[in-house]
Amino acid sequence: AQSVAQPEDQVNVAEGNPLTVKCTYSVSGNPYLFWYVQYPNRGLQFLLKYITGDNLVKGSYGFEAEFNKSQTSFHLKKPSALVSDSALYFCAPLAAGNKLTFGGGTRVLVKP
Amino acid sequence: EAGVAQSPRYKIIEKRQSVAFWCNPISGHATLYWYQQILGQGPKLLIQFQNNGVVDDSQLPKDRFSAERLKGVDSTLKIQPAKLEDSAVYLCASSLDSQGPSYEQYFGPGTRLTVT
Repeated sequence: AQSVAQPEDQVNVAEGNPLTVKCTYSVSGNPYLFWYVQYPNRGLQFLLKYITGDNLVKGSYGFEAEFNKSQTSFHLKKPSALVSDSALYFCAPLAAGNKLTFGGGTRVLVKP
Repeated sequence: EAGVAQSPRYKIIEKRQSVAFWCNPISGHATLYWYQQILGQGPKLLIQFQNNGVVDDSQLPKDRFSAERLKGVDSTLKIQPAKLEDSAVYLCASSLDSQGPSYEQYFGPGTRLTVT
């Protein structure tokens, strides 16, 4: 069974500061992990994924995520946050058959 | 390339009425998904199609929900009769295939359903 935990319901950060959104996972077998972002009144947009290879994955809009197998974590990061990064972020492991398991998400609020 | 299209964007109905949502996936995408996203929660998979066949409908409330994907392209999701707890955003997504983990899913804008 697949599961994901995003321990923070909301993250507040000042514009220009580093942004981190935490994610821990529980999967059977090799972990395939995705990050999606949801802006208000819009569908989810793909940010990045970890399938295999380098533990540091770079994605869209300047985001990156670090896969840590020993800590079963896949935290999303951005060195310098923008106000436009304010949105809802979902971490999702992938099960067989290309099925994503979403948690409750983390709301990010970037203040000017 | 055009994204996943959904209609209508918003729908308000009374309980016990019926409603249908339409989805047009990205051209060439074999796999189509319907998700239900209740306010404050992450999306929950309702049904997954591979071409015009159902791959997984284990979380679809089959007493009131139905879905079809005729000809392996467009899809419709129907609720009959609707209950208050069906108020949610219904998201459609598509991917190239379901056989490889590298095939990310592309989501439509969703249909926001309010049942009164």
